Amino acid sequence: DAGITQSPRHKVTETGTPVTLRCHQTENHRYMYWYRQDPGHGLRLIHYSYGVKDTDKGEVSDGYSVSRSKTEDFLLTLESATSSQTSVYFCAISASQPGITDTQYFGPGTRLTVL
Amino acid sequence: RKEVEQDPGPFNVPEGATVAFNCTYSNSASQSFFWYRQDCRKEPKLLMSVYSSGNEDGRFTAQLNRASQYISLLIRDSKLSDSATYLCVVRAGNMLTFGGGTRLMVKP
Repeated sequence: DAGITQSPRHKVTETGTPVTLRCHQTENHRYMYWYRQDPGHGLRLIHYSYGVKDTDKGEVSDGYSVSRSKTEDFLLTLESATSSQTSVYFCAISASQPGITDTQYFGPGTRLTVL
Repeated sequence: RKEVEQDPGPFNVPEGATVAFNCTYSNSASQSFFWYRQDCRKEPKLLMSVYSSGNEDGRFTAQLNRASQYISLLIRDSKLSDSATYLCVVRAGNMLTFGGGTRLMVKP
């Protein structure tokens, strides 16, 4: 299994509070991704990174920001959490740009509940 | 219309049965196709890529029909351990788009 960890694994928070989720990899892969998974929607890309300090928006980026100061860490921040951000969040990594190698390896997920 | 559509199921089949899942995609510029497997409350994992000529990996066979924008997965001789959700995944450009998944339950 790819060396990807996510923290925390579970979190309950209140509306309006800031939340930061962390993804850590030991594979030295260049590309990292944040997805959310909701019933009826499948996995949707929030943000991705193609290198240290290089990030871009995905399909559902509103209300989220990311940072990547080191190759191994990719942080997802909800500046002011809302109930619509209750979801399971998955981090993924890939060795190369999609199209060169398409396989993405996923972390174990973070289950976030916003009350 | 969703970009990648799958029948959510569940498909309930007995052990040893053959079961097929289908997936349609809307973006004709899609370039790569995959099936991922996701166990309950776990992360998705790549099951197999799907090639135009069709490909097989043990009991699993994947087919692609670009003209109809249609992908299939056939599982032969189903095992209890095949119970999971199967995600159809399509790449266009540098983005992967995931279907909502088809749930399979294999019964003894």
